[in-house]
Amino acid sequence: GAVVSQHPSWVICKSGTSVKIECRSLDFQATTMFWYRQFPKQSLMLMATSNEGSKATYEQGVEKDKFLINHASLTLSTLTVTSAHPEDSSFYICSADWQGNTGELFFGEGSRLTVL
Amino acid sequence: LAKTTQPISMDSYEGQEVNITCSHNNIATNDYITWYQQFPSQGPRFIIQGYKTKVTNEVASLFIPADRKSSTLSLPRVSLSDTAVYYCLVQTGANNLFFGTGTRLTVIP
Repeated sequence: GAVVSQHPSWVICKSGTSVKIECRSLDFQATTMFWYRQFPKQSLMLMATSNEGSKATYEQGVEKDKFLINHASLTLSTLTVTSAHPEDSSFYICSADWQGNTGELFFGEGSRLTVL
Repeated sequence: LAKTTQPISMDSYEGQEVNITCSHNNIATNDYITWYQQFPSQGPRFIIQGYKTKVTNEVASLFIPADRKSSTLSLPRVSLSDTAVYYCLVQTGANNLFFGTGTRLTVIP
């Protein structure tokens, strides 16, 4: 199957700093990627849809100025958590649609962010 | 946006068959039913997808009745490594995916 890779897999940062997480589709091109956040013992929550060459679409309640998404190429989307605070500590997961409208998604390994 | 209802948790002994049922009363004509597996601190992994009747692959079977208002994921002869959270999703394409609570399966030796 298709491979989606995230980097870094975990990161610790100080409050107030910014952190960038990369999501790459390794063996296919993804015009659309999705970013999710997952708190401990909870389900995945869609944050935003990342579209190559255009602005991301954010879900209600997700601050677009705090969670900057850039989808500069067909194989790379980045999520930058700006001015991170401890409440932003979470597991961030990206996914990409490999087969178009069939909806089968391939997910990255996830990135665990801890803000001190 | 079709939402799903699943049992919060299930326990099973090793070697048994496990059936996890998902309710999706508001499924639309164009929706597919997809199941994902998630281990702790990992991204979800695709298990199986179907539209109607029965689908089988090397790891699971998916049973969908004619009205498509529910579906059952069947895992044959589970092992300890099948301990995970299993999510049922209904979707048209890849957009607007809603992950419900999922079912936390614990396999007991």
